[in-house]
Amino acid sequence: QSVLTQPPSVSAAPGQKVTISCSGSSSNIGNNYVSWYQQLPGTAPKLLICENNQRPSGIPDRFSGSKSGTSATLGITGLQTGDEADYYCATWDTSQSVGVFGTGTKVTVL
Amino acid sequence: EVQLVESGGGLVQPGRSLRLSCAVSGFTFDDYAMHWVRQAPGKGLEWVSGINWNSSEMAYADSVKGRFTISRDNAKNSLYLQMNNLGLGDTAFYYCAKDVSRWALLPVDCWGQGSLVTVSS
Repeated sequence: QSVLTQPPSVSAAPGQKVTISCSGSSSNIGNNYVSWYQQLPGTAPKLLICENNQRPSGIPDRFSGSKSGTSATLGITGLQTGDEADYYCATWDTSQSVGVFGTGTKVTVL
Repeated sequence: EVQLVESGGGLVQPGRSLRLSCAVSGFTFDDYAMHWVRQAPGKGLEWVSGINWNSSEMAYADSVKGRFTISRDNAKNSLYLQMNNLGLGDTAFYYCAKDVSRWALLPVDCWGQGSLVTVSS
């Protein structure tokens, strides 16, 4: 079954910026909205970004999303120690009629 | 306050069955599709199944198709996952999650705390 590819890990110093890529195909990212989730250690995931670039209420504008073709990107600016977590992209795959999540990226604040 | 509370997890032998439940409150249940997402210990998230608002459409991951059945009871504000012929690869935390619309096409904006299913002999 299809899966979205993310880098296993990214890191940066406090206050810096990181970007996380999410690569898919025309049947998923290419034709559907992408969402992003943050999972802090030992907790359930939390929605960060929906519809490619929309932040739900309460999500700070340090988090941003974008999409181009069959790839999407999550950006985190002004990195904080509290941002250390696993991040996942997700979308629907139209050809297989299934939901798909990314492989996950661990963000480390140096 | 939106709440999703899973129950029914536990230790089960390979080949046996288990039924998960998810009781929801704080929103109009029959206005939204619902999903089950699982996470094996130390691994990533895996979408398992989704059901639309009126149960007319269900979808399953290939890994569970033919073994798992998703259902909902709008009168009881509850979501269910019947899991049959469980295998070692089904060991995971199972999360109940609310879709943002009536149609189970993702994203989900609210999650339960998860229920651990352990398949072991």
